[in-house]
Amino acid sequence: EAQVTQNPRYLITVTGKKLTVTCSQNMNHEYMSWYRQDPGLGLRQIYYSMNVEVTDKGDVPEGYKVSRKEKRNFPLILESPSPNQTSLYFCASRATGVYEQYFGPGTRLTVT
Amino acid sequence: ELKVEQNPLFLSMQEGKNYTIYCNYSTTSDRLYWYRQDPGKSLESLFVLLSNGAVKQEGRLMASLDTKARLSTLHITAAVHDLSATYFCAVVEYGNKLVFGAGTILRVKS
Repeated sequence: EAQVTQNPRYLITVTGKKLTVTCSQNMNHEYMSWYRQDPGLGLRQIYYSMNVEVTDKGDVPEGYKVSRKEKRNFPLILESPSPNQTSLYFCASRATGVYEQYFGPGTRLTVT
Repeated sequence: ELKVEQNPLFLSMQEGKNYTIYCNYSTTSDRLYWYRQDPGKSLESLFVLLSNGAVKQEGRLMASLDTKARLSTLHITAAVHDLSATYFCAVVEYGNKLVFGAGTILRVKS
C-alpha cells in the first residue's frame, strides 16, 4: 500500500531534549516536505526537499533541521525543543511532474 | 511573500443549502490545492487546479480557479452532514514551497 508513515505519532518531551521525528514514503517520490499545524494558522511549511541531499527552507525553519540521505526518508530534527514547538506535524511527499501530495498521519508533539 | 486568505473561517450551514468558500492569494501562482481534514485526521487531497478557468467537481464539491483575480472558490451544493470538516486551500509560491490558508471549519446541521 502506497503510504507516508511518521513515527512517533505522539510525543511528550521536555525543553532542550533533542528529538527526531521520522518520515518515510514507499512511493519513490522525489519531493518531501514537513509542515506544522497550529490552530487558526493552517499548515506552515518548515522544510522541503526536492531530492536526495537537496533541501530548502519553508516559512518557519527556525529551531528545526532536516536531512535527506535516502530518497524514502526525511527526518525532522529538533536539536533543542522549546514549548513554542508544541504542535501537530505532518510529513508529505509527491512525485516529480505529479501534483497530488500525500500526507502522513501526523505527529502530535508536546514540549513542556 | 505569498499570502493566502480564506473566508469564511467558520461556516455553519443547514443540510440541503449551498455555500461557497473563498480563497484569495497575493501573488501569481501556477497551482492551487484544496484539502479536507476531519478532526484528528490527516489531510485528504480534494482538487488540484492548474490553470486559469480550471473547474473540477467531485460529488457535491466544485472548485474553480481565476488566476487573474487570484481567487479560487470551493462551492458546496446541497450540503450533507458528511461534509462537515475543515477545508484548506494551499497555493504554490515556487517549486515545492506551499502556503496554506488558515482553513474553513464547516459544520452542516441537520
